[in-house]
Amino acid sequence: ILNVEQSPQSLHVQEGDSTNFTCSFPSSNFYALHWYRWETAKSPEALFVMTLNGDEKKKGRISATLNTKEGYSYLYIKGSQPEDSATYLCAYDAGGTSYGKLTFGQGTILTVHP
Amino acid sequence: DTGVSQDPRHKITKRGQNVTFRCDPISEHNRLYWYRQTLGQGPEFLTYFQNEAQLEKSRLLSDRFSAERPKGSFSTLEIQRTEQGDSAMYLCASSLPHTQLFFGSGTQLSVL
Repeated sequence: ILNVEQSPQSLHVQEGDSTNFTCSFPSSNFYALHWYRWETAKSPEALFVMTLNGDEKKKGRISATLNTKEGYSYLYIKGSQPEDSATYLCAYDAGGTSYGKLTFGQGTILTVHP
Repeated sequence: DTGVSQDPRHKITKRGQNVTFRCDPISEHNRLYWYRQTLGQGPEFLTYFQNEAQLEKSRLLSDRFSAERPKGSFSTLEIQRTEQGDSAMYLCASSLPHTQLFFGSGTQLSVL
């Protein structure tokens, strides 16, 4: 059974604060680590797909890092805005012919207060 | 193309009834996935197709569940003799090989 853990489970921050979440995943048979943002009543939106150890990706105020040897990834949000409020999900992908068969963490629920 | 669409958005049914959900993927995507999400958990993999072939099914998918993708385009997920434990959000996603998954908005199933 693959274990993907996210922490914290929920987070309340004030507008303008910077924040970060953690995703831990199996370091064996690793192919990719996906990050998604899921707002209520919308589709989960892909933020990053990360494959290389030490990789760092950035999209606006959001960035992510990847350590495949120790099995963790961090997601950072700089200067949080109320529109960043969402559930942030990470998902482990063992690749091969089963690419896209993702094992998700339980998510981090972020609430940004104006 | 407007992305992955799922129908219906919400379904309320009585225990024991059959329900069917539809997913229309992004047109050029050959991979189609079904996931299920229950409250407080991340989505869980159910099954996936490459074109019309169903390549893998999760142990979560009991005999009451069946999925099809008859012409390699849209897919249906049918649940027979629904149980209260089937209440969940059913998500569909599609992708090209080895690229990110694009998700639909899901079908929220409530079994009374």
